[in-house]
Amino acid sequence: SQQGEEDPQALSIQEGENATMNCSYKTSINNLQWYRQNSGRGLVHLILIRSNEREKHSGRLRVTLDTSKKSSSLLITASRAADTASYFCASGGGGFKTIFGAGTRLFVKA
Amino acid sequence: DGGITQSPKYLFRKEGQNVTLSCEQNLNHDAMYWYRQDPGQGLRLIYYSQIVNDFQKGDIAEGYSVSREKKESFPLTVTSAQKNPTAFYLCASSMLGDRNTEAFFGQGTRLTVV
Repeated sequence: SQQGEEDPQALSIQEGENATMNCSYKTSINNLQWYRQNSGRGLVHLILIRSNEREKHSGRLRVTLDTSKKSSSLLITASRAADTASYFCASGGGGFKTIFGAGTRLFVKA
Repeated sequence: DGGITQSPKYLFRKEGQNVTLSCEQNLNHDAMYWYRQDPGQGLRLIYYSQIVNDFQKGDIAEGYSVSREKKESFPLTVTSAQKNPTAFYLCASSMLGDRNTEAFFGQGTRLTVV
């Protein structure tokens, strides 16, 4: 199975609520990245957390990394309808060694 | 405007045909990648290149070919040997030398066999 696996596969919330997505990986990593993909479009980089970091913030995004559990979480606070998209974690050694999970599909209802 | 451009956005292929997907970047990135995405799936690496005139197979290279004659360009050919080519294809680029670097993606090409 893939290195990065997101949970849940799909998430539906109301606007204003927080959305939490989780990612697990199997082998050691240099970093873990989160990307967003709008339907039928390319991926857009959201945030990168290095293996020696535990938490990182960017605007309404908060990412945590627990290397002992080989897991990461992405929290989107005060969600908006425009946050509706698929979110992918990407882990590994960087570059061609990066492995993408299957993604979490987030639907934010207005 | 720096970025990575894929064309065409939609492509239809008849059985037995070869088709070429274009990918161009003006970010001065050394590394370029091709991924395949199937519905509800993650991205799978087809080919990657870290320098001009050099490229390496990824996890699912069979039935595909690439070239890297210029730093800016990394076209992907889907050959007739690829038995199930209908998918969404994404090209990406990144800097080399720093493993903690993000990838920049094009908008994708949706290939359909008719």
